[in-house]
Amino acid sequence: GNSVTQMEGPVTLSEEAFLTINCTYTATGYPSLFWYVQYPGEGLQLLLKATKADDKGSNKGFEATYRKETTSFHLEKGSVQVSDSAVYFCAPDFKLIFGAGTRLAVHP
Amino acid sequence: EAGVAQSPRYKIIEKRQSVAFWCNPISGHATLYWYQQILGQGPKLLIQFQNNGVVDDSQLPKDRFSAERLKGVDSTLKIQPAKLEDSAVYLCASSLLTANTGELFFGEGSRLTVL
Repeated sequence: GNSVTQMEGPVTLSEEAFLTINCTYTATGYPSLFWYVQYPGEGLQLLLKATKADDKGSNKGFEATYRKETTSFHLEKGSVQVSDSAVYFCAPDFKLIFGAGTRLAVHP
Repeated sequence: EAGVAQSPRYKIIEKRQSVAFWCNPISGHATLYWYQQILGQGPKLLIQFQNNGVVDDSQLPKDRFSAERLKGVDSTLKIQPAKLEDSAVYLCASSLLTANTGELFFGEGSRLTVL
């Protein structure tokens, strides 16, 4: 059946470090893929999305590429900031269920 | 464009009392969702509406939780009677497209503490 596997956290990095949060899915079709972010005390908001294979979503320095061959949608950022500290959720659109997310803590 | 509005932001009640949360989705969004997010966990879908009809309420504890969206616009989620384990943030979200497609827009949530 359809499922999503996201890297467990917490992830702790120093400012300006490189970030990767892994996300893989299994599905019978080719869903649209989303990364949502939840800052402390707030609701979730869309960070980026990709709707078809090889699409690259990008926003606020974050990127993720829809890899059909590996069924993955890993989130990357070249240089994280303290303000990026949040919980990140990978969410294929076939399933309105979120995992626990990956908590990122960035220290100065 | 106004976002998803929720109220109240915070509510503290004693167990066995009742509470109601209100959500006004983005104008024109046909689909509305209620999620429960317990501290340290991801949001769990409670109920999904398409206009004023229920699409999915399989995870709604119907013995104590109820939700309605009478005119296909705003929605109310009620808990009666509340239990300690209901302490959570209740998130409302809406989307323009039909079920299981498209971006979800979330409100800031209503934080419930049950003592």
